[in-house]
Amino acid sequence: QQQVKQSPQSLIVQKGGISIINCAYENTAFDYFPWYQQFPGKGPALLIAIRPDVSEKKEGRFTISFNKSAKQFSLHIMDSQPGDSATYFCAARGSGNTPLVFGKGTRLSVIA
Amino acid sequence: DAGVIQSPRHEVTEMGQEVTLRCKPISGHNSLFWYRQTMMRGLELLIYFNNNVPIDDSGMPEDRFSAKMPNASFSTLKIQPSEPRDSAVYFCASSLSQGAPHEQYFGPGTRLTVT
Repeated sequence: QQQVKQSPQSLIVQKGGISIINCAYENTAFDYFPWYQQFPGKGPALLIAIRPDVSEKKEGRFTISFNKSAKQFSLHIMDSQPGDSATYFCAARGSGNTPLVFGKGTRLSVIA
Repeated sequence: DAGVIQSPRHEVTEMGQEVTLRCKPISGHNSLFWYRQTMMRGLELLIYFNNNVPIDDSGMPEDRFSAKMPNASFSTLKIQPSEPRDSAVYFCASSLSQGAPHEQYFGPGTRLTVT
C-alpha cells in the first residue's frame, strides 16, 4: 500500500517557469510533510517542510501548499533554474521522531 | 559539521558474500535510520534506532539483513549472504529525537552491486 502518492514522475520546465509537484497521502495521523531534493550520486537533502496547521510555507523560490481536507500537498518552484534539475521527493511522518514515508519521486529537468 | 558519513561509497560483491555497510551519524544526533533506494520501490525504511536501541526493524527484508548500533557514533548494516536483488543504494540518516521537528539528514549513500 503506497501511503504517499507523488506526481508527475517526470517534469520538464523552461527556465524561469514554475515547477509544480503534487503529493497525496492517506494516513490522517501524518503531521509533518518535508520535501527532499536529490542530485545524482548524492543523498536526499531536506529542502522545505510544513506542518498541517498552516496552509502554505515559503522559503525563497520554494513554496509548499497544503490542503488538509483533501490530504494533498504540493511543491512550487518559482523562477525555475537549470540548477534546480534534480529528483524531488515528498515525504510524510507521524508525530514524534518516526521514520519518513516517501513518494516515488519526480525527476525535474529545467531547460534553458 | 561533517554531516552523516557512510562507507564505502561503492561496493561490488559476488552473490553469497557478506557485505557490511557503515554509518556515522551527525554528532549529537540520537536517532539513526537505514533506508534503501531502488528504482522499483523508491526509498523505503529498513530499520531505525533511538538512543542506540532498535525501535522498528519491520522493513528489514529477511533474516539475511542485520543492523547494529554499538554506540552513538556508529552503526552497521550487514547482509549475509548477499543476493543480486539486494543491489540498491543504501542510505543512513540521523536526527535529534528531542524537540520538533526532528529533521532527518541523509548521508551520501552506499551503492551496492551484487553480481
